[in-house]
Amino acid sequence: AQKVTQAQTEISVVEKEDVTLDCVYETRDTTYYLFWYKQPPSGELVFLIRRNSFDEQNEISGRYSWNFQKSTSSFNFTITASQVVDSAVYFCALSRMNRDDKIIFGKGTRLHILP
Amino acid sequence: GAGVSQTPSNKVTEKGKYVELRCDPISGHTALYWYRQSLGQGPEFLIYFQGTGAADDSGLPNDRFFAVRPEGSVSTLKIQRTERGDSAVYLCASSLGQGLDTQYFGPGTRLTVL
Repeated sequence: AQKVTQAQTEISVVEKEDVTLDCVYETRDTTYYLFWYKQPPSGELVFLIRRNSFDEQNEISGRYSWNFQKSTSSFNFTITASQVVDSAVYFCALSRMNRDDKIIFGKGTRLHILP
Repeated sequence: GAGVSQTPSNKVTEKGKYVELRCDPISGHTALYWYRQSLGQGPEFLIYFQGTGAADDSGLPNDRFFAVRPEGSVSTLKIQRTERGDSAVYLCASSLGQGLDTQYFGPGTRLTVL
Protein backbone atom coordinates (compact mmCIF):
# COMPACT_ATOMS: atom_id res chain seq x y z
CA ALA A 1 0.00 0.00 0.00
CA GLN A 2 1.08 3.56 -0.62
CA LYS A 3 0.89 6.20 2.07
CA VAL A 4 2.18 9.72 2.66
CA THR A 5 2.48 11.18 6.14
CA GLN A 6 2.87 14.86 6.87
CA ALA A 7 3.12 14.98 10.63
CA GLN A 8 3.07 18.77 10.86
CA THR A 9 -0.53 19.90 10.60
CA GLU A 10 0.20 23.60 10.95
CA ILE A 11 3.36 25.72 11.19
CA SER A 12 3.78 29.43 11.84
CA VAL A 13 7.02 31.29 11.31
CA VAL A 14 7.98 34.92 11.09
CA GLU A 15 8.85 36.28 7.68
CA LYS A 16 12.47 35.74 6.61
CA GLU A 17 12.86 32.66 8.76
CA ASP A 18 13.68 29.32 7.16
CA VAL A 19 11.11 26.56 7.50
CA THR A 20 11.17 22.84 6.71
CA LEU A 21 8.09 20.80 5.94
CA ASP A 22 8.45 17.11 6.67
CA CYS A 23 7.19 14.26 4.51
CA VAL A 24 7.50 10.52 5.07
CA TYR A 25 6.20 8.02 2.57
CA GLU A 26 5.49 4.30 2.35
CA THR A 27 5.47 2.23 -0.82
CA ARG A 28 6.25 -1.31 -1.91
CA ASP A 29 7.17 -0.12 -5.39
CA THR A 30 10.84 0.08 -6.29
CA THR A 31 10.22 2.92 -8.71
CA TYR A 32 8.02 5.85 -7.89
CA TYR A 33 7.62 9.59 -8.08
CA LEU A 34 7.47 12.05 -5.22
CA PHE A 35 5.80 15.44 -5.49
CA TRP A 36 5.17 18.65 -3.65
CA TYR A 37 2.16 20.80 -4.45
CA LYS A 38 1.20 24.19 -3.02
CA GLN A 39 -2.43 25.15 -2.39
CA PRO A 40 -2.76 28.90 -1.72
CA PRO A 41 -5.96 30.38 -0.29
CA SER A 42 -7.38 30.60 -3.80
CA GLY A 43 -7.61 26.81 -3.71
CA GLU A 44 -5.82 25.79 -6.89
CA LEU A 45 -3.14 23.13 -6.54
CA VAL A 46 0.17 24.40 -7.88
CA PHE A 47 2.80 21.89 -8.92
CA LEU A 48 6.21 22.58 -7.35
CA ILE A 49 8.41 19.56 -7.99
CA ARG A 50 8.51 15.94 -9.06
CA ARG A 51 11.42 13.66 -8.19
CA ASN A 52 11.92 10.09 -9.27
CA SER A 53 13.08 7.35 -6.95
CA PHE A 54 16.34 6.89 -8.89
CA ASP A 55 17.60 10.34 -8.13
CA GLU A 56 18.44 11.19 -4.53
CA GLN A 57 20.24 14.37 -5.36
CA ASN A 58 18.94 17.34 -3.46
CA GLU A 59 17.33 20.01 -5.56
CA ILE A 60 17.29 23.77 -5.18
CA SER A 61 15.03 26.19 -6.98
CA GLY A 62 15.40 29.75 -5.79
CA ARG A 63 14.33 29.85 -2.14
CA TYR A 64 12.97 26.30 -2.32
CA SER A 65 15.00 23.16 -1.71
CA TRP A 66 14.13 19.51 -1.38
CA ASN A 67 15.93 16.76 0.51
CA PHE A 68 15.15 13.22 -0.67
CA GLN A 69 16.47 10.40 1.51
CA LYS A 70 15.49 6.92 0.46
CA SER A 71 17.04 5.38 3.58
CA THR A 72 14.49 7.15 5.77
CA SER A 73 11.70 7.33 3.15
CA SER A 74 11.59 11.08 3.50
CA PHE A 75 11.19 13.94 1.06
CA ASN A 76 11.42 17.15 3.03
CA PHE A 77 10.85 20.64 1.68
CA THR A 78 12.65 23.75 2.93
CA ILE A 79 11.75 27.34 2.23
CA THR A 80 14.61 29.75 2.86
CA ALA A 81 13.96 33.37 3.83
CA SER A 82 10.21 32.81 3.90
CA GLN A 83 7.82 35.43 2.58
CA VAL A 84 4.18 36.16 3.37
CA VAL A 85 3.26 34.91 -0.14
CA ASP A 86 4.52 31.47 0.87
CA SER A 87 1.52 31.12 3.18
CA ALA A 88 -0.44 28.14 1.89
CA VAL A 89 -1.16 24.47 2.44
CA TYR A 90 1.62 22.28 1.12
CA PHE A 91 1.00 18.69 0.05
CA CYS A 92 3.55 15.97 -0.34
CA ALA A 93 2.47 13.17 -2.68
CA LEU A 94 3.50 9.87 -4.24
CA SER A 95 2.71 7.93 -7.38
CA ARG A 96 3.94 4.89 -9.25
CA MET A 97 6.39 5.42 -12.09
CA ASN A 98 6.00 4.61 -15.75
CA ARG A 99 2.26 4.58 -15.78
CA ASP A 100 -0.39 7.23 -15.56
CA ASP A 101 -1.23 6.40 -12.02
CA LYS A 102 -3.16 8.18 -9.36
CA ILE A 103 -1.35 10.48 -6.98
CA ILE A 104 -1.54 9.65 -3.28
CA PHE A 105 -1.50 12.83 -1.23
CA GLY A 106 -0.63 13.49 2.39
CA LYS A 107 -3.02 15.50 4.53
CA GLY A 108 -1.01 18.65 4.02
CA THR A 109 0.81 21.14 6.20
CA ARG A 110 -0.73 24.59 6.62
CA LEU A 111 2.07 27.17 6.63
CA HIS A 112 1.54 30.65 8.03
CA ILE A 113 4.20 33.25 7.37
CA LEU A 114 3.73 36.12 9.78
CA PRO A 115 4.82 39.61 8.72
CA GLY B 1 -1.67 28.29 -22.74
CA ALA B 2 -4.96 27.69 -20.98
CA GLY B 3 -4.94 25.46 -17.93
CA VAL B 4 -7.49 22.97 -16.71
CA SER B 5 -10.89 24.59 -16.28
CA GLN B 6 -13.81 23.39 -14.18
CA THR B 7 -17.40 24.50 -14.06
CA PRO B 8 -19.23 25.50 -12.03
CA SER B 9 -16.83 26.90 -9.47
CA ASN B 10 -19.50 26.48 -6.80
CA LYS B 11 -22.56 24.27 -6.67
CA VAL B 12 -25.13 24.19 -3.91
CA THR B 13 -27.74 21.47 -4.06
CA GLU B 14 -30.21 19.73 -1.84
CA LYS B 15 -29.88 16.24 -0.49
CA GLY B 16 -31.19 13.70 -2.97
CA LYS B 17 -30.62 15.81 -6.07
CA TYR B 18 -28.49 14.96 -9.11
CA VAL B 19 -25.43 17.06 -10.03
CA GLU B 20 -22.98 17.22 -12.89
CA LEU B 21 -19.50 18.71 -12.64
CA ARG B 22 -17.54 19.52 -15.74
CA CYS B 23 -13.80 19.44 -16.45
CA ASP B 24 -12.06 20.82 -19.52
CA PRO B 25 -8.46 19.55 -19.62
CA ILE B 26 -5.40 21.18 -21.10
CA SER B 27 -5.49 20.86 -24.87
CA GLY B 28 -3.67 17.77 -26.04
CA HIS B 29 -3.72 16.04 -22.67
CA THR B 30 -5.03 12.50 -23.07
CA ALA B 31 -5.07 11.58 -19.38
CA LEU B 32 -7.71 13.06 -17.09
CA TYR B 33 -8.19 12.51 -13.37
CA TRP B 34 -10.86 13.35 -10.82
CA TYR B 35 -10.04 13.81 -7.15
CA ARG B 36 -12.13 14.82 -4.16
CA GLN B 37 -10.82 17.03 -1.37
CA SER B 38 -12.70 17.18 1.89
CA LEU B 39 -12.09 19.98 4.36
CA GLY B 40 -8.68 19.71 5.98
CA GLN B 41 -7.64 16.72 3.91
CA GLY B 42 -5.49 16.07 0.90
CA PRO B 43 -7.08 15.26 -2.45
CA GLU B 44 -8.27 11.66 -2.82
CA PHE B 45 -8.34 9.89 -6.16
CA LEU B 46 -11.69 9.03 -7.71
CA ILE B 47 -11.21 8.01 -11.36
CA TYR B 48 -8.72 8.23 -14.21
CA PHE B 49 -9.39 8.34 -17.96
CA GLN B 50 -6.97 7.56 -20.73
CA GLY B 51 -8.68 8.89 -23.81
CA THR B 52 -12.37 8.01 -23.68
CA GLY B 53 -12.09 5.02 -21.39
CA ALA B 54 -11.93 4.85 -17.63
CA ALA B 55 -8.58 3.17 -16.94
CA ASP B 56 -9.03 3.13 -13.17
CA ASP B 57 -12.25 3.87 -11.29
CA SER B 58 -11.20 2.27 -8.03
CA GLY B 59 -11.60 5.51 -6.09
CA LEU B 60 -15.29 6.05 -6.80
CA PRO B 61 -16.93 5.67 -3.37
CA ASN B 62 -20.14 3.97 -4.54
CA ASP B 63 -22.42 3.55 -7.52
CA ARG B 64 -23.96 6.99 -7.08
CA PHE B 65 -20.79 8.38 -8.65
CA PHE B 66 -20.15 8.08 -12.36
CA ALA B 67 -17.92 9.89 -14.83
CA VAL B 68 -17.75 10.05 -18.61
CA ARG B 69 -15.41 11.41 -21.23
CA PRO B 70 -17.18 10.61 -24.50
CA GLU B 71 -14.84 12.38 -26.92
CA GLY B 72 -11.61 12.06 -25.01
CA SER B 73 -11.51 15.69 -23.98
CA VAL B 74 -14.14 17.19 -21.66
CA SER B 75 -15.22 15.01 -18.76
CA THR B 76 -18.33 15.11 -16.60
CA LEU B 77 -18.53 13.74 -13.08
CA LYS B 78 -22.09 12.80 -12.20
CA ILE B 79 -23.41 12.28 -8.70
CA GLN B 80 -26.87 10.83 -8.16
CA ARG B 81 -28.99 11.14 -5.02
CA THR B 82 -26.49 13.46 -3.38
CA GLU B 83 -25.81 13.14 0.32
CA ARG B 84 -24.44 15.70 2.77
CA GLY B 85 -21.24 13.65 2.97
CA ASP B 86 -20.61 14.36 -0.72
CA SER B 87 -19.86 17.98 0.14
CA ALA B 88 -16.26 18.63 -0.87
CA VAL B 89 -14.11 20.28 -3.51
CA TYR B 90 -13.94 18.16 -6.63
CA LEU B 91 -10.66 18.59 -8.47
CA CYS B 92 -9.83 17.67 -12.01
CA ALA B 93 -6.30 17.18 -13.33
CA SER B 94 -4.87 16.35 -16.73
CA SER B 95 -1.56 15.16 -18.10
CA LEU B 96 -0.03 14.28 -21.45
CA GLY B 97 -0.67 10.66 -20.68
CA GLN B 98 2.73 9.35 -21.59
CA GLY B 99 3.41 7.82 -18.22
CA LEU B 100 6.08 10.31 -17.32
CA ASP B 101 4.12 13.52 -17.27
CA THR B 102 3.00 15.62 -14.35
CA GLN B 103 -0.65 16.14 -13.52
CA TYR B 104 -1.86 19.74 -13.60
CA PHE B 105 -4.89 20.63 -11.55
CA GLY B 106 -7.89 22.84 -12.18
CA PRO B 107 -9.38 25.26 -9.64
CA GLY B 108 -11.97 22.77 -8.47
CA THR B 109 -15.74 22.79 -7.99
CA ARG B 110 -16.93 23.32 -4.44
CA LEU B 111 -20.01 21.15 -3.95
CA THR B 112 -22.26 21.82 -0.98
CA VAL B 113 -25.12 19.44 -0.28
CA LEU B 114 -27.68 20.91 2.11
